[in-house]
Amino acid sequence: DIQMTQSPSTLSASVGDRVTITCRASQSISSWLAWYQQRPGKAPKLLIYKASSLESGVPSRFSGSGSGTEFTLTISSLQPDDFATYYCQQYNSFPYTFGQGTKLEIK
Amino acid sequence: QGQLVESGGGVVQPGRSLRLSCAASGFIFSIYGMHWVRQAPGKGLEWVALIWYDGSNKYYIDSAKGRFTISRDNSKNTLYLQMDSLRAEDTAVYYCARGGRYTLSSSYMDVWGKGTTVTVSS
Repeated sequence: DIQMTQSPSTLSASVGDRVTITCRASQSISSWLAWYQQRPGKAPKLLIYKASSLESGVPSRFSGSGSGTEFTLTISSLQPDDFATYYCQQYNSFPYTFGQGTKLEIK
Repeated sequence: QGQLVESGGGVVQPGRSLRLSCAASGFIFSIYGMHWVRQAPGKGLEWVALIWYDGSNKYYIDSAKGRFTISRDNSKNTLYLQMDSLRAEDTAVYYCARGGRYTLSSSYMDVWGKGTTVTVSS
């Protein structure tokens, strides 16, 4: 199975900050990576697919990059709605696997 | 964009069975692959199973193989997850989610339901 490792596990930041979350795969997954946002008690929401493609309706302050084994999700200027947990997920091979999550907290 | 509504969750004893349903609307259900994803209390997301748009291919996480069966009825726009021999570690919120179209069924998840809670306890 492909292991997905996110860092950091928790991130404290302020409104307006630029933040970056890293996701590493245990083997190459090309660009078959998605990022999701999950607010407490809610279903996940797709943000980014194919490593860098922005899902329709998602604000442009979200961006993704990377290929192979190292990927990043960047939020250019944090808004109050962005404080949530973020997950990466590989869909290169079965079983699909998620990172353990990064909780973005208000500083 | 589409909507997914899960049902069928509840409290069940270890070793018993449960069938989850996911009703789809607002999109052409029969052309999309469909996933089940679960989240144990306080834990992260875990992919469980995928079925292709036409039911021709099915994939499972190892812990579900031989116990869970994913299926679909395209005439009813409904996805199912039959869960047998349930264990305490199957306790989770179960989400259905839409995959890709046609032969791209094995893809990321772009539409999610709100989830249904399964609790396995004696």
